[in-house]
Amino acid sequence: DTAVSQTPKYLVTQMGNDKSIKCEQNLGHDTMYWYKQDSKKFLKIMFSYNNKELIINETVPNRFSPKSPDKAHLNLHINSLELGDSAVYFCASSPQGWWGYTFGSGTRLTVV
Amino acid sequence: DQQVKQNSPSLSVQEGRISILNCDYTNSMFDYFLWYKKYPAEGPTFLISISSIKDKNEDGRFTVFLNKSAKHLSLHIVPSQPGDSAVYFCAAHQSPLNAGKSTFGDGTTLTVKP
Repeated sequence: DTAVSQTPKYLVTQMGNDKSIKCEQNLGHDTMYWYKQDSKKFLKIMFSYNNKELIINETVPNRFSPKSPDKAHLNLHINSLELGDSAVYFCASSPQGWWGYTFGSGTRLTVV
Repeated sequence: DQQVKQNSPSLSVQEGRISILNCDYTNSMFDYFLWYKKYPAEGPTFLISISSIKDKNEDGRFTVFLNKSAKHLSLHIVPSQPGDSAVYFCAAHQSPLNAGKSTFGDGTTLTVKP
């Protein structure tokens, strides 16, 4: 009964491939996010969706395309993967008006 | 442009003593601050928060202090327990213009020795 679940947990793929990471939350939260944690351990926001509407799109290459089919799901598709995309990607959610996030357990992406 | 900094990558304390984790920020528009705790192979979990209109918030063993003039916040854990060993992230939020965006520091690894 995981609140925010991401799949897969680990993803190893070759450069140039296209891959997707899925995220689902069962908390009824209005806002969902994708954060990237790079090798320097910083958590940097990539995207934020509120009720399926994109509200934040940081300076992320357009190879990254988020999709929110409904309020409970926010998926991340990455085209033409590069070595520098290797990182841990965290999905998170929060209710309206509250900034404390509930995070998923992360997806460790390794591009070889 | 690192707006939130945690200058101590690691901290080691003895069980039962106080742990103090520090965080500095540069953006005076931040109005809400949060601490998260992260165990290996898990996502961060929310720990405690403080609004910019307060200077202290306490929740059990955890207390967060905010010094707005110094743009500094700290997390105190008293008494520290081995289960507190984790990476601690501070985060800062600016509302309402940047709804849904928290800026994170790079974390401090706390080790509590039995």
